[in-house]
Amino acid sequence: DIQMTQSPSFLSASVGDRVTLSCKASQNINKYLAWYQQKLGEAPKLLIYNANSLQTGIPSRFSGSGSGTDFTLTISSLQPEDVATYFCLQHNSWYTFGAGTKLELK
Amino acid sequence: EVQLVESGGGLVQPGRSLKLSCVASGFTFSNYGMNWIRQAPGKGLEWVAYISSGSSYIYYAETVKGRFTISRDNAKNTLYLQMTSLRSEDTALYYCASNWELDYFDYWGQGVMVTVSS
Repeated sequence: DIQMTQSPSFLSASVGDRVTLSCKASQNINKYLAWYQQKLGEAPKLLIYNANSLQTGIPSRFSGSGSGTDFTLTISSLQPEDVATYFCLQHNSWYTFGAGTKLELK
Repeated sequence: EVQLVESGGGLVQPGRSLKLSCVASGFTFSNYGMNWIRQAPGKGLEWVAYISSGSSYIYYAETVKGRFTISRDNAKNTLYLQMTSLRSEDTALYYCASNWELDYFDYWGQGVMVTVSS
């Protein structure tokens, strides 16, 4: 089974900061990686698919990069509404999720 | 607006059964694959089951194979999960989610809680 490791587990940042979240796969998953945002009590929302494609309606401050085993989600300028848990999903071989990064405001 | 609304959760004793439903709106349900995904308290997300748009292809996680059955009614825009022989480790928040064939999940519901306890 493919394991997905996210880091950090918890991140505190200020409004306007550039934030980088990491997701590493235990084996090559090509570009079959998606990123989700989940706010408390809400359904997860797709942000990025195929590692670097921005889902329709998602602000351009969100971007994704990487391929193979190492992937990154970047928020170019953190906004208060970005407080949430972010998790990654590999769908190269069935489905495995990362454990998530909880992002809060400093 | 796409909406997926789960229902049918609750408290159930070990060994008993429970059936979850997920009603879809805002998109052409019959064109999309559908999934159940769960998250146990304090744990990560786990994919549970997939059903293709026309129900021709069905897949399960090993942890639920033989106990859970996924099905859908495209005329009613509804996805189901029949859960039998429930165990304490099945306690989780259950989400339904759509995808195109076996691709990433594009829309999710808010989830329904299932608690297996005596």
